[in-house]
Amino acid sequence: EVQLVQSGGGLVQPGGSLRLSCGASGLTFSNQWMHWVRQGPGKGLVWVSNIQSDGSTTSYADSVQGRFTISRDNAKNTLYLQMNSLRAEDTAVYYCLWSFGVWGQGTLVTVSS
Amino acid sequence: DVVMTQSPLSLPVTLGQPASISCRSSQSLVHSDGNTYLNWFQQRPGQSPRRLIYKVSNRDSGVPDRFSGSGSGTNFTLKISRVEAEDVGVYYCMQGTHWPPWTFGQGTEVEIK
Repeated sequence: EVQLVQSGGGLVQPGGSLRLSCGASGLTFSNQWMHWVRQGPGKGLVWVSNIQSDGSTTSYADSVQGRFTISRDNAKNTLYLQMNSLRAEDTAVYYCLWSFGVWGQGTLVTVSS
Repeated sequence: DVVMTQSPLSLPVTLGQPASISCRSSQSLVHSDGNTYLNWFQQRPGQSPRRLIYKVSNRDSGVPDRFSGSGSGTNFTLKISRVEAEDVGVYYCMQGTHWPPWTFGQGTEVEIK
């Protein structure tokens, strides 16, 4: 069974940092692009970032460019999202995705003082 | 960025009756490789989204055949032939032709009358 298991969410103060992790099993992790998508409280889905299969190329939404960094460790089948300079508007459930066909369970990030 | 516009945003339906959701893109979603990268996702209450349809009309594994996708260019439709109680949730279209960013529609909430 294909699974993406996320960890690392929580409560952080504005200006703080947090790192999300997403462990993959049951799939050839290194063959596919990975994405992060977020969903604010009561809101729709918003694409955040993407990393290509070998990790050489990344993309970011304008709203997180320069603050968030996506990375992957293909040897550990794990995807990461390093989030710095967090703002209240970053509060959301963050999902990791394997090529849009498989989604993680989501992890809540709350930015508040 | 490509803007995805769904209608209606709320869709009350009677069990056993058909339902249809429209999705329009601000530019053609035909890729230079000839494919059209238009996906449909379902998000049941309290759950992660899951993909139903990829490349306009291809059902993902395990998706009931009462779900179908159609369309071309800038106009796309998701149809449910006979709505069942388990179909309640929010449905999103998403384009993957012109990236970054990958962009979602606002979502259509399907509820039972």
